[in-house]
Amino acid sequence: GEDVEQSLFLSVREGDSSVINCTYTDSSSTYLYWYKQEPGAGLQLLTYIFSNMDMKQDQRLTVLLNKKDKHLSLRIADTQTGDSAIYFCAESTGNFNKFYFGSGTKLNVKP
Amino acid sequence: NAGVTQTPKFQVLKTGQSMTLQCAQDMNHNSMYWYRQDPGMGLRLIYYSASEGTTDKGEVPNGYNVSRLNKREFSLRLESAAPSQTSVYFCASSPLSGQGVGNTEAFFGQGTRLTVV
Repeated sequence: GEDVEQSLFLSVREGDSSVINCTYTDSSSTYLYWYKQEPGAGLQLLTYIFSNMDMKQDQRLTVLLNKKDKHLSLRIADTQTGDSAIYFCAESTGNFNKFYFGSGTKLNVKP
Repeated sequence: NAGVTQTPKFQVLKTGQSMTLQCAQDMNHNSMYWYRQDPGMGLRLIYYSASEGTTDKGEVPNGYNVSRLNKREFSLRLESAAPSQTSVYFCASSPLSGQGVGNTEAFFGQGTRLTVV
């Protein structure tokens, strides 16, 4: 299947910005997503971006897409302790019934 | 709003035992999915169902079977459990059917933590 890669860990201080990065291999990816998983819970959609966009902002979240480099990033401004979770990058392609997930980045926010 | 409901939440099996993980959604979604989550490997798709009566293999289908009993329910069966199937299993659903257009979101259940000893 398609490869979606993320670094496994990120640690930041409360109030700083967090940037979580993701790379993918499928150039036909149509939608790219960021999901958040809190301990013991399922995944919840944070935000998504369509492949013909290069930026999307939603309150404290900014998604940047570099389609040429197949690189996606999620920036969380003013990171709070409640943002501590695992963040998954995912993509879907022409076959919209399949979602491919990265390994997840565990964000640790230190007070 | 229940969303996607999975049962059981926890299960311990002995090697060779069988069991069925249940999943139901109340959002009238067409597509349903089973994923497994392992440390450092993200979510891997086991099987999916694009509509009632159809099922397709995902990335890691070996050792599993599925049934799309009706539009609401999608069950995952382990016929002869193995320690390699120790994992957290997530069921998900989304509105799309076939080649969709427009954005979709996958809604996830809370997960089933399965241990095979």
